[in-house]
Amino acid sequence: EIELTQSPGTLSLSPGERATLSCRASQTVSSIFLAWYQQKPGQAPRLLIYGTYSRATGIPDRFSGSGSGTDFTLTISRLEPEDFGVYYCQQSDTSLFTFGPGTKVEIK
Amino acid sequence: EVQLLESGGGLVQPGGSLRLSCAASGFMFSNFAMGWVRQAPGKGLEWVSGISVTGGSTYYADSVKGRFTMSRDNSKNTVFLHMNSLRAEDTAVYYCGKSDWNNRYFDLWGRGTLVTVSS
Repeated sequence: EIELTQSPGTLSLSPGERATLSCRASQTVSSIFLAWYQQKPGQAPRLLIYGTYSRATGIPDRFSGSGSGTDFTLTISRLEPEDFGVYYCQQSDTSLFTFGPGTKVEIK
Repeated sequence: EVQLLESGGGLVQPGGSLRLSCAASGFMFSNFAMGWVRQAPGKGLEWVSGISVTGGSTYYADSVKGRFTMSRDNSKNTVFLHMNSLRAEDTAVYYCGKSDWNNRYFDLWGRGTLVTVSS
């Protein structure tokens, strides 16, 4: 089973700043199997990025994904007030999904 | 409207059973794999189970294997999660998710239903 770790655990930033979130896999993950979600308190998760690079429908272009092998990154170029929340990476391997523990992006 | 609506959560005693349902609408349900993801209070997301488009293949996290069973009824656009031998650590909000065409991620989520296992 592939395990995912995320860093940092918490990111304290101000609106307008750049956010860089990391996701590391315990073994190689094909780029087509890596996704990112955003979750706000009391809400269901929302798909942001799939296939490492592709933005989901309606996701603004300040969100971008990159990476390969075991290291993947979600970048938010300029934080907006509505971007604060918890971000999870997820991989799918032989139809078994796993999520990372999450990175909380909070207002500084 | 494209949506998923979970139901069936509630309070159950340790060792008890519960059946969750997820009703889909607004898309061709029988064309997509589905899954369940849970979130314990104050914790992160944990994938629980998945099911293929026909229901012929099911997949489970080790933490629920042998206790939970996922099924689907394509005539009713509904998936189910049958939960037996429930434990305190199964307490969580359970979300239903629709997979993409290739079953690689969840592109649609329900609002979740809370399951509390306690005496």
